[in-house]
Amino acid sequence: EIVMTQSPATLSVSPGERATLSCRASQSINGNLAWYQQKPGQAPRLLIYGASTRATGIPARFSGSGSGTEFTLTISSLQSEDFAVYYCQQYNNWPPFTFGQGTKLEIK
Amino acid sequence: EVQLVESGGGLVKPGGSLRLSCAASGFTFSSYSMNWVRQAPGKGLEWVSSISSSSTYIYSAESVKGRFTISRDNAKNSLYLQMNALRAEDTAVYYCAREYSSSSWFDCWGQGTLVTVSS
Repeated sequence: EIVMTQSPATLSVSPGERATLSCRASQSINGNLAWYQQKPGQAPRLLIYGASTRATGIPARFSGSGSGTEFTLTISSLQSEDFAVYYCQQYNNWPPFTFGQGTKLEIK
Repeated sequence: EVQLVESGGGLVKPGGSLRLSCAASGFTFSSYSMNWVRQAPGKGLEWVSSISSSSTYIYSAESVKGRFTISRDNAKNSLYLQMNALRAEDTAVYYCAREYSSSSWFDCWGQGTLVTVSS
């Protein structure tokens, strides 16, 4: 099973600033990584797939990068609606599909 | 509009059974693999089970293997999760999620249904 590790667990950033979230896979997953955003009481929402492709309707301030075992989600200028929990997920080797434990992005 | 609506959650005693349903609309349900993903209170996401478009391939997490069964009825645009021998650790919000293509990301999620296992 591929283990996904996200860091940090919590990130405090001021609105308008840049946020950088990390995700590491226990073995290479090529570029088969997705990022999701989840707000309290809501279902996850797909942000990024293929490590760097934005899903439909996702603002350009969200960008993904990386390959192999190291991946990054960057939010270039934080808006109030971006404060949420973010999960990475690998779909290279499954079953099982595996998720990271999440990074909570909070207002500083 | 693509929509997934789960139902069937509730309070059940340990050892009991429950059947979850997910009604799909706004897309050709029979063309997509579907999944169940759960989230325990205050915890992260855990994949539970996957079923291919024609039910040929079915996979489940080790934590539910032998207790949970995923199925679908393409004529009714519906996905199901039969949960038997429930344990306290199965308490979670259960989401159905559409797989964009075989072996890929989950591009559409339902709002979830809460299953609570408690005596």
